[in-house]
Amino acid sequence: GAVVSQHPSWVICKSGTSVKIECRSLDFQATTMFWYRQFPKQSLMLMATSNEGSKATYEQGVEKDKFLINHASLTLSTLTVTSAHPEDSSFYICSASGGNNQPQHFGDGTRLSIL
Amino acid sequence: QKEVEQNSGPLSVPEGAIASLNCTYSDRGSQSFFWYRQYSGKSPELIMFIYSNGDKEDGRFTAQLNKASQYVSLLIRDSQPSDSATYLCAVNSYNNNDMRFGAGTRLTVKP
Repeated sequence: GAVVSQHPSWVICKSGTSVKIECRSLDFQATTMFWYRQFPKQSLMLMATSNEGSKATYEQGVEKDKFLINHASLTLSTLTVTSAHPEDSSFYICSASGGNNQPQHFGDGTRLSIL
Repeated sequence: QKEVEQNSGPLSVPEGAIASLNCTYSDRGSQSFFWYRQYSGKSPELIMFIYSNGDKEDGRFTAQLNKASQYVSLLIRDSQPSDSATYLCAVNSYNNNDMRFGAGTRLTVKP
């Protein structure tokens, strides 16, 4: 149980392209979904927290107009990196939680490379 | 002061030994505690969670929680080379779905 599916696994695209990443909870309802970014050999960095039907809460320093998050249902959240540039290249990971005090279950991550 | 602190390591133990991973947290209101394992290049996977003071065992893994000392640990018995990974401690406050992660401890189990 508690499976989170994240797509795509890999994205390679040109600078200026917008990229959408999907995160789905397959066998539970996720009241909250989280988006993280991780650079090589560094810690997980929380980007934003989203609750179904609400606007996402972004961490300090994360541009909400650049990283658009939509959490339209209890099983789906999307992250769109708009007008991506090489410095946005990173490992993006989503997670989903079924409620307060419940564990976060992680997707497999999306490796984004902007040329 | 960081909210969740872990020794970054690397922690190196021989195969078959017990690996002990430690974590301290600053928020006394924290109610739930999690250990995740992250292999290089992969996303974290949940190993254990613990809510009450004391020990919780699951196979070769034991989580220990001491809320008075604001300390949580993970013991891995009979360590295997496949246990080599970064272990992340995570802490959640009650009624607040705001999980904070430590920076992780890198464990190497040598054959």
